[in-house]
Amino acid sequence: EVQLLESGGGLVQPGGSLRLSCAASGFTFSNYAMSWVRQAPGKGLEWVSSISGSGYTTYYADSVKGHFTISRDNSKNTLYLQMDSLRAGDTAVYSCAKSLGDYPQGGSNWFDPWGQGTLVTVSS
Amino acid sequence: EIVLTQSPATLSLSPGERATLSCRASQSVSYFLAWYQQKPGQAPRLLIYDASNRATGIPARFSGSGSGTDFTLTISSLEPEDFAVYHCQQRSNWPLTFGGGTKVEIK
Repeated sequence: EVQLLESGGGLVQPGGSLRLSCAASGFTFSNYAMSWVRQAPGKGLEWVSSISGSGYTTYYADSVKGHFTISRDNSKNTLYLQMDSLRAGDTAVYSCAKSLGDYPQGGSNWFDPWGQGTLVTVSS
Repeated sequence: EIVLTQSPATLSLSPGERATLSCRASQSVSYFLAWYQQKPGQAPRLLIYDASNRATGIPARFSGSGSGTDFTLTISSLEPEDFAVYHCQQRSNWPLTFGGGTKVEIK
């Protein structure tokens, strides 16, 4: 069974940093692209960032480009999101999601399954 | 950025009824559209990808159709567990985008 377990969320002041982790199991981690998607309280889903199975190719939403960094450690089956210069608008539940395939395969940007998410609150 | 507009925002139906949900893209996404189901307090679950392909384990009562800019998710006969929020997503262009969601509630 595929399992994704996020950790690292919490309360942080504006301008602060957090690193989220997503521990994956139940599949060959390096064979799949992975992504982060967030959902602000009471709002819809917003794609944040994606990374290829090798880790060499990354993509970012304009809203986080330059202050979030996605990475992965295939030896540890773990996905990361380094979040710097956090602002109130970054407050959300952050979920990691496994893609159906890896780039440039067609299923690489369909997300299945998703983790339960970790809450990040940016507030003073 | 491709904007996805879902309608209606809320759909009030009874178990056993047919649900028809719409997702319209601001420009063509070909067939690169997916649908997800999200229940309160749960992670989204992939239902349909590439407009009409059911994901693994998804019941046959869920079907997707459309191409270009207009897409439909149909639930042929609502089961009690189908009352949830449904999101569409496109992967035609970066950035990946989601619609605002349609809530299917019990009438």
